[in-house]
Amino acid sequence: QQKVQQSPESLSVPEGGMASLNCTSSDRNFQYFWWYRQHSGEGPKALMSIFSDGDKKEGRFTAHLNKASLHVSLHIRDSQPSDSALYFCAASDVGDNSKLIWGLGTSLVVNP
Amino acid sequence: GALVYQYPRRTICKSGTSMRMECQAVGFQATSVAWYRQSPQKTFELIALSTVNSAIKYEQNFTQEKFPISHPNLSFSSMTVLNAYLEDRGLYLCGARRGHLSNERLFFGHGTKLSVL
Repeated sequence: QQKVQQSPESLSVPEGGMASLNCTSSDRNFQYFWWYRQHSGEGPKALMSIFSDGDKKEGRFTAHLNKASLHVSLHIRDSQPSDSALYFCAASDVGDNSKLIWGLGTSLVVNP
Repeated sequence: GALVYQYPRRTICKSGTSMRMECQAVGFQATSVAWYRQSPQKTFELIALSTVNSAIKYEQNFTQEKFPISHPNLSFSSMTVLNAYLEDRGLYLCGARRGHLSNERLFFGHGTKLSVL
């Protein structure tokens, strides 16, 4: 069973629109969450981390974590064509923060 | 800035042969290096985690005999895929971490794409 689940599998938004990506963990030990972005032909790049309940904003990106429901989301405001990429949610265990468990990714396409 | 270079970017090898790939951290000291394989379906599998002053930890389904890793210093790691077969195809990613804290991100290289004929 996939311990980190992402939805939707793919998402298409118009340029300037809001993209919302979701991630849920099935393991209560996973307390630290990351969002990584991977453009075609490249390795993943860390966008932001969130470890505490609530919102965390970095520029056009806002992550939200609800530890009680083990749900984390990523919202991209004013989406740009350059935001088109694969977005991965990754979680780590409080007992072993060196190891990341990855979701299957959401493919985002921003249409000009 | 912190960068991770991987070499080669892509490689093709004959079934049953071996292939070595390299990972170089530039601009920082990598206290730990994680080797991943990303399948053609884009799923990530952790192969092994190499941490300074600790033994290399291999994940289930991956062994040192098949994927020997060398991590001689804080800026360089290499991994070999021995006796490669079709199921070893994928993008091999090296992720390096600067520190030991839980809020340290992994810096990834572009990966080495392995094709097996």
